Amino acid sequence: DAGVTQSPTHLIKTRGQQVTLRCSPKSGHDTVSWYQQALGQGPQFIFQYYEEEERQRGNFPDRFSGHQFPNYSSELNVNALLLGDSALYLCASSSTGEETQYFGPGTRLLVL
Amino acid sequence: AQSVAQPEDQVNVAEGNPLTVKCTYSVSGNPYLFWYVQYPNRGLQFLLKYITGDNLVKGSYGFEAEFNKSQTSFHLKKPSALVSDSALYFCAVREVGNAGKSTFGDGTTLTVKP
Repeated sequence: DAGVTQSPTHLIKTRGQQVTLRCSPKSGHDTVSWYQQALGQGPQFIFQYYEEEERQRGNFPDRFSGHQFPNYSSELNVNALLLGDSALYLCASSSTGEETQYFGPGTRLLVL
Repeated sequence: AQSVAQPEDQVNVAEGNPLTVKCTYSVSGNPYLFWYVQYPNRGLQFLLKYITGDNLVKGSYGFEAEFNKSQTSFHLKKPSALVSDSALYFCAVREVGNAGKSTFGDGTTLTVKP
């Protein structure tokens, strides 16, 4: 049983570019959440997707957007990249009625 | 609003000694509480959770945590530390009824010395 998978593992972009990160949830899970973890900090909630809709959003600008597909996989898009967007981006999945979120290995984004 | 505080950036213990990693939280209603562990360049690995019921929760790898509602704390404990327990530990809270956002602390680095 595969856990949460994310791609790519690492990414280097330059300021102003756009990036798309991908996540496949754990088998049986229908909810995907995205977090940003800056160096030396805990994960910060970006948003959560359920039934292909954004259910809740954290304090992130509109440059951060997402999508959930019918197979429950998800994408995180970041436009107009800033140096401060450099971080580890974590995807977490869960199932309805299950409180625990299970995390993927993350995508490390470096913006130059 | 919900928040988590992990008051210690670093905890050092000798192998075989008991360890405690502290966590306090704040939520408007009742909490769900979680502990995760992160190894270098890896994602977060779930250790244990408090949802309801017994205040003492047992989890993976011999870890346990005690929920204390009056002190709004959820400290992580282990009776006998191993060198392999050395890692970064995160406490997280989510308010009951809030299906979305979990709020994490800034983490505590645990170092277990032989």
